[in-house]
Formats: sequence, structure tokens, C-alpha cells
Amino acid sequence: DIHMTQSPTSLSASVGDRVTITCRASQSISTYLNWYQQKPGKAPKLLIYTTSNLQSGVPSRFSGSASGTDFTLTISSLQPEDFASYYCQQSYSSPWTFGQGTKVEIE
Amino acid sequence: EVQLLESGGGLVQPGESLRLSCTASGFSFSSFGMSWVRQAPGKGLEWVSGISGSGETTYYGDSVKGWFTISRDNSKNTLYLQTNILRAEDTAVYYCAKAGSTRDWYLDLWGRGTLVTVSS
Repeated sequence: DIHMTQSPTSLSASVGDRVTITCRASQSISTYLNWYQQKPGKAPKLLIYTTSNLQSGVPSRFSGSASGTDFTLTISSLQPEDFASYYCQQSYSSPWTFGQGTKVEIE
Repeated sequence: EVQLLESGGGLVQPGESLRLSCTASGFSFSSFGMSWVRQAPGKGLEWVSGISGSGETTYYGDSVKGWFTISRDNSKNTLYLQTNILRAEDTAVYYCAKAGSTRDWYLDLWGRGTLVTVSS
């Protein structure tokens, strides 16, 4: 199985900050890496698919990139509605594993 | 309206079984793979199982392989998860989710989830 290691587990930031979350795959997954946002008590929401494609309706302050097996989610200017948990997921091969999540909290 | 609606969760005792359902609307159900993803209380997301649009191919996570069975009825636009010999560690909110592409398994539409509690 492909293991996804996400970092950090949590972070504190302020509105307007640039935030970066990293996800490392245990083996090559090509570009099959996706990012989700989840708010408390709600279902996850797709933000970015296939490394860097922005899902329809998602603000352009969210972006994704990759370098080998390291993938990055960047929020260019953190907004109040962005305080949530974020998960990466590989869809290269089954089982389509998730990272352990990153909780973004208000500083 | 494009949506997924799960049902069938509840409180069960260890060793019992439960069948979860997910009814889809607003899109061509048979054209897309579907997945179940679960989340234990206070924990992260765990992908559980997936099924192709035709239903011919199924996929399972290691923790449920041999215990859970995924299926679908495309005539009813409904996805199922048969959960057998439930254990306390299966306690979670179970979400159904739609694959975003016919060639990829990112999940672009999620239901609200149904809670399964396994306790004596």
C-alpha cells in the first residue's frame, strides 16, 4: 500500500498569512494527488485534484504543486473561512490512501 | 440537484452486521466509480472501499477486506456497503463519495455521512 505522510499535523496562522502543507508519498504516484478541506461536523470538500487542478468554485488562493513524491498545498492569503482540516489523498493505486490530516487553527 | 444521501447507520453490538445505503441524484450514476470513506470520532479520513461504474470491479482497504462488501444497483442509483462482524474500531461516520472522473478516483461529491456505532 502507498503511505501518505502529511506535515505538519497542525499549524497556527493569522488571516492574510501564506500557508503551506506538505504531503509525501512512499512511492511514485505520478500526479495522482488530491487535496480536501473539512470543517467540523461537515463532509470533506474537494479542493484540488491531480496535483494542481482547482476544483470548480474553489478560490484561486488555493494552489497545488509537486516535486517528485513531495506535494504541496498552498493558501496564498489565509481567510477566516479557511480555518479547517486539510487532507491529501493519492488516487494512483488502490487502496486510495489519505494523509493523516493537517488542522489549520487561528493564531 | 446533484447529491448523495447515506442511510442505514445506527447502534449495533460487536459481531453484528449492518447494510449502509447511498442514494444518488442529479448525475449519471452508472458512469462513475463510487467510494466509501469513514472517519472515526476525532480521527482522520480512511478510504474503505470503491466500485467501478458498472459494478464489475471492486476495491477494498486492508482493514475491511473480507469483512465488508461493496455493491451497487444502477437501476436504483444506489450504492451499498454490507458491513459484517462489526468491531468497536469500525465505529465511525461513513461517507459515500463519487469519483470525479471516469479515469481517476479523486472524490468530487460527498454525502453528509451516516454514523455507525459499535458498542455493547
